[in-house]
Amino acid sequence: NAGVTQTPKFQVLKTGQSMTLQCAQDMNHNSMYWYRQDPGMGLRLIYYSASEGTTDKGEVPNGYNVSRLNKREFSLRLESAAPSQTSVYFCASSEGQGWNEQYFGPGTRLTVT
Amino acid sequence: QKEVEQDPGPLSVPEGAIVSLNCTYSNSAFQYFMWYRQYSRKGPELLMYTYSSGNKEDGRFTAQVDKSSKYISLFIRDSQPSDSATYLCAMLMNTGFQKLVFGTGTRLLVSP
Repeated sequence: NAGVTQTPKFQVLKTGQSMTLQCAQDMNHNSMYWYRQDPGMGLRLIYYSASEGTTDKGEVPNGYNVSRLNKREFSLRLESAAPSQTSVYFCASSEGQGWNEQYFGPGTRLTVT
Repeated sequence: QKEVEQDPGPLSVPEGAIVSLNCTYSNSAFQYFMWYRQYSRKGPELLMYTYSSGNKEDGRFTAQVDKSSKYISLFIRDSQPSDSATYLCAMLMNTGFQKLVFGTGTRLLVSP
């Protein structure tokens, strides 16, 4: 039982390049989330998927797109990377609505030069 | 003003000390209060949660919520070097879909 896995662990992009961050969970959770973590800003929600087939914007969605590929997988795409998107990205999952513990992946460290 | 305020630290204490970590918040609609622990270069993991006001104890950890003051605390007794981590508070309203609001985190260093 791996929990929440993320790939890649590290990535360096040049401004304007695109990439997709992958996330998968094996806990049969309904809900999945993408956060970014920046010094002094804490964790901020980018996008979330309450259930398979649905996605919604979080606090900081600009410059990102997401795909809930199936119940297990939730990807985050940067179409044209900018230095302001340099951050650590965390994927999380939870059983569903209401109070449910969110389980986090190990993170992807992204640097945009 | 941020919805959740948390002192970033670092907070340095000797082994065995009692540690107090705190957050204040502005939105009175928050009902669930959580503490996550995050080791360096790892994802956050849930440490404790409480619903509404009151205290909750789990081993060396005690979470306290004072809704009248919009203030929550995490106490760590007999702190250990293995407690060295960043502690993030998080809050949730009791309506709609679960969207956690996080504090910025307090970095704790426990020296042997």
